[in-house]
Amino acid sequence: GENVEQHPSTLSVQEGDSAVIKCTYSDSASNYFPWYKQELGKRPQLIIDIRSNVGEKKDQRIAVTLNKTAKHFSLHITETQPEDSAVYFCAASMFQFYFGTGTSLTVIP
Amino acid sequence: NAGVTQTPKFQVLKTGQSMTLQCAQDMNHEYMSWYRQDPGMGLRLIHYSVGAGITDQGEVPNGYNVSRSTTEDFPLRLLSAAPSQTSVYFCASGRTGVTYNSPLHFGNGTRLTVT
Repeated sequence: GENVEQHPSTLSVQEGDSAVIKCTYSDSASNYFPWYKQELGKRPQLIIDIRSNVGEKKDQRIAVTLNKTAKHFSLHITETQPEDSAVYFCAASMFQFYFGTGTSLTVIP
Repeated sequence: NAGVTQTPKFQVLKTGQSMTLQCAQDMNHEYMSWYRQDPGMGLRLIHYSVGAGITDQGEVPNGYNVSRSTTEDFPLRLLSAAPSQTSVYFCASGRTGVTYNSPLHFGNGTRLTVT
């Protein structure tokens, strides 16, 4: 089955700086790559997604890039704010969804 | 739409007890799944279903059973609880396939403790 690796496991940035989280996947058949944000004690919620026929997608301060050849995709958050502090999960899917192990992001005011 | 509804929110079991975690969705999603979330291990797929009457195993199926008699409901059964099953359980639904994918919608989770 699919194997998704996510790095780093923890990330601390100063408010206003950028944060980058990287994921790799193993199954070239995966065609959909969502990113979820999970606040403490809450459910994961979608923040952005990308399909395999697109190389980059942006939504305000959040962007995702996909390199199908290298089988990796990344989340970029610019101008970070304290409310961005959370755990972020990447996932790869064609039918089932397989998740990375998460990145705990802390934005220091 | 209520989305994905999970019950109960919290549960404490003793080793060897059985119970069923309930999950219902009102979005007419074909795909439903159960994940467990443990510290440092992300979300691991337990079982999933691509439609009524169809279920299959995920990464960590041992100790769990599922059934899908209707499109809306996908209960998860623990037949004989073990301390290793202490975790937070999430039910999620969505649309998947070769030509169309949509994000998973998660329930609020069930925090299960087995003593």
